Amino acid sequence: EVQVVESGGDLVQPGGSLRLSCVASGFTFNSYAMNWVRQAPGKGLEWVSAISGSGSSTNYADSVKGRFTISRDNSKNTVFLQMNSLRGEDTAVYYCAKDRALIAVTGSLFDPWGQGTLVTVSS
Amino acid sequence: DIQLTQSPSSLSASVGDRVTITCRTSQRISNFLNWYQQKPGKAPKLLISAASNLQSGVPSRFSGSGSGTDFTLSINSLQPEDFATYYCQQGHTIPFTFGQGTKLQIK
Repeated sequence: EVQVVESGGDLVQPGGSLRLSCVASGFTFNSYAMNWVRQAPGKGLEWVSAISGSGSSTNYADSVKGRFTISRDNSKNTVFLQMNSLRGEDTAVYYCAKDRALIAVTGSLFDPWGQGTLVTVSS
Repeated sequence: DIQLTQSPSSLSASVGDRVTITCRTSQRISNFLNWYQQKPGKAPKLLISAASNLQSGVPSRFSGSGSGTDFTLSINSLQPEDFATYYCQQGHTIPFTFGQGTKLQIK
């Protein structure tokens, strides 16, 4: 079964940092790009970042560029999201999702998704 | 960025009804449009990819169509488990973007 499981969400103060992890199983991890998508409480979905299967190519939403860094460890089937300079508007459930191809390209989709991990930024 | 506008934002329907949700994009995206279903407290689930490709395990009462800038998700003969929020997503250009969602409620 193809599966992704996130962890690392927590309560953090504004300006603080947090690292999220996503462990994948059931597929050849280094053959697929991975994405992070977030959902603020009661709001819609926002794509955050993508990383290619090799880790050599990354993409970010403007709202997180320069503050968040996506990376992956293919030996551990894990993708990470390092979040720095956190703001209140970063409060959300963060989902990890597998893409359909080696890199995030035209035709990208998100399947499957993990259960999500909650990040709360508040003093 | 490509903007996606779903209509309606909310919809009330009865079991057995047929409903249609529309997604309009601000730029032409060929058929690179995906649909997701999300139930309260759960992660989204991919229903349809590339505008009309039904994912394995998704009931055949779901269907998608469209190309360019106008897309539709239709659900025939609504079942109780179909009441959820539906999102469209464009996979044409980074940043990937979603519609604002359509909440399908039971009448």
